[in-house]
Amino acid sequence: EPEVTQTPSHQVTQMGQEVILRCVPISNHLYFYWYRQILGQKVEFLVSFYNNEISEKSEIFDDQFSVERPDGSNFTLKIRSTKLEDSAMYFCASSAGASPYEQYFGPGTRLTVT
Amino acid sequence: GEDVEQSLFLSVREGDSSVINCTYTDSSSTYLYWYKQEPGAGLQLLTYIFSNMDMKQDQRLTVLLNKKDKHLSLRIADTQTGDSAIYFCAEIHLYNFNKFYFGSGTKLNVKP
Repeated sequence: EPEVTQTPSHQVTQMGQEVILRCVPISNHLYFYWYRQILGQKVEFLVSFYNNEISEKSEIFDDQFSVERPDGSNFTLKIRSTKLEDSAMYFCASSAGASPYEQYFGPGTRLTVT
Repeated sequence: GEDVEQSLFLSVREGDSSVINCTYTDSSSTYLYWYKQEPGAGLQLLTYIFSNMDMKQDQRLTVLLNKKDKHLSLRIADTQTGDSAIYFCAEIHLYNFNKFYFGSGTKLNVKP
């Protein structure tokens, strides 16, 4: 069964450093997403991406964040200058975009900012 | 606004039924979903229900939707220790199918 994959599974970085989280969505999906889950809190929407552009972003997704689909398979989330509060589990998801709009999630990347 | 609420914990004995509840506030919700998150793992889609349905059954899982009360429940029959996980309900709206709104998750503990 096709699945969303994410690398790395755990990333430790120092405050102020740039990180890139990588995702390979399901191959025939057209919509891509990033969510984050701070430990013990809700899963929060960050951004959705379709047709090579951001279709929606939350207030969390500020200028420090960017997304890119550099080739036909990868979907990346970049955080330019990490802050302690960026420590969270980051989930990538993808969807075919058709009803019932199921989003399939990857296993997540745990980002720890020290 | 969008607000999805769940109780935080549920503890049941193996073999019993579990009922996990969720309430939501936005009446334009279109689809409602249940996801399962095992320790250290991602979110696994379990099932979903369209807002014009009252009930959906899928093997041991039964989803009930009370649209008037904006109440969603997930019943797991014959709960097993492998069902121990966090269960999230999520919704999307008619006007934006891109964005999922998640509840805070219910931690189900199944005792042998």
